[in-house]
Amino acid sequence: QKEVEQNSGPLSVPEGAIASLNCTYSDRGSQSFFWYRQYSGKSPELIMFIYSNGDKEDGRFTAQLNKASQYVSLLIRDSQPSDSATYLCALTGSNYKLTFGKGTLLTVNP
Amino acid sequence: ETGVTQSPTHLIKTRGQQVTLRCSSQSGHNTVSWYQQALGQGPQFIFQYYREEENGRGNFPPRFSGLQFPNYSSELNVNALELDDSALYLCASSLRQGSNYGYTFGSGTRLTIV
Repeated sequence: QKEVEQNSGPLSVPEGAIASLNCTYSDRGSQSFFWYRQYSGKSPELIMFIYSNGDKEDGRFTAQLNKASQYVSLLIRDSQPSDSATYLCALTGSNYKLTFGKGTLLTVNP
Repeated sequence: ETGVTQSPTHLIKTRGQQVTLRCSSQSGHNTVSWYQQALGQGPQFIFQYYREEENGRGNFPPRFSGLQFPNYSSELNVNALELDDSALYLCASSLRQGSNYGYTFGSGTRLTIV
């Protein structure tokens, strides 16, 4: 089993809809969880981090973490064409390194 | 406050050559990590430096080596370049090792091996 798995995508949603991105992980010792956005040819940009079970909201973005199910998700409300990018789920554990999933390509159609 | 800067932005090398990539961490950040991102993949951890010491390494061969300097800037050196080394190399800095607040990435160096 891969350490971090993301829904395969690509994901396509109409403008104004909710985009749901999902991620599961294998290491129960994982401590902190991150969502990065990466535009084509650019470097990853941190959107949100979460380390406690539950929801964390920041503007149109909500991260959800369920450590019992080893599941983390990102919801994007009122999706905009500018949200079109690859979304990377990442985590850190006791060894401090960031472990990334493969990413999910999101396209928001006008 | 300056962000993470990397140089060069693009580089073309031939197989067997050696390359040095450079990174200046964000002001106040003492931890620097390097990642390799192949096309269509997520970034893969190469190694991390904290206060000039390597304190974590991914599954990369010894021909990948690095340094961190007293000002917390860093270098990634790759010897005996192979075609599979073609990738985007990312440097990330954080306020402290094991940061719960995420890592700030530089814009990356696109390395092409021909």
